[in-house]
Amino acid sequence: AQSVTQLGSHVSVSEGALVLLRCNYSSSVPPYLFWYVQYPNQGLQLLLKYTTGATLVKGINGFEAEFKKSETSFHLTKPSAHMSDAAEYFCAVRKDRGSTLGRLYFGRGTQLTVWP
Amino acid sequence: DVKVTQSSRYLVKRTGEKVFLECVQDMDHENMFWYRQDPGLGLRLIYFSYDVKMKEKGDIPEGYSVSREKKERFSLILESASTSQTSMYLCASSSGGQGRNQPQHFGDGTRLSIL
Repeated sequence: AQSVTQLGSHVSVSEGALVLLRCNYSSSVPPYLFWYVQYPNQGLQLLLKYTTGATLVKGINGFEAEFKKSETSFHLTKPSAHMSDAAEYFCAVRKDRGSTLGRLYFGRGTQLTVWP
Repeated sequence: DVKVTQSSRYLVKRTGEKVFLECVQDMDHENMFWYRQDPGLGLRLIYFSYDVKMKEKGDIPEGYSVSREKKERFSLILESASTSQTSMYLCASSSGGQGRNQPQHFGDGTRLSIL
């Protein structure tokens, strides 16, 4: 079974509209959760992470995500899309809190297109 | 800031060649990872290492090997390149020990074409 499921491989929004990128995870232990962004021809850049504490996490570039344990979800949102947000977004989960290794399991990615 | 440097952004090789992809990180991280990225498949883990000379297979190790002789350097080796290994390859590193909740930091990737 997949550890991370991103619903929607492509999402399109108009500039100024709400961005919602969905991520559901499976883990038998409380996970660490991450969102990464990848701009064309670049590596992955960390947007935000959830480890413990507050379930609403704020990241860079106005993005935020909410950890909902009951729904096993970690959806990424931004109130108002900007053209520069066009990129591919990856959700990732780390399931081994007790380990120092830090292996991540990635979703398949969601390509965000922003229309003017 | 953490810097993960991959030696080549673009590489073109021929079928059957032995190919080396190099990755260097400057933050004294214990853990290093090699992924390949293909459209629609996301990132798939090839190999990872948690210490010098230590390595572990990821999900798709077939056709690949790795080397970690120094802490800062992690090399991916395609023993006999095939066209199916044409892909984007990403290297990442992360802190172990005290940094258990630390993220992985990525290089800019190497786009490898096997002809």
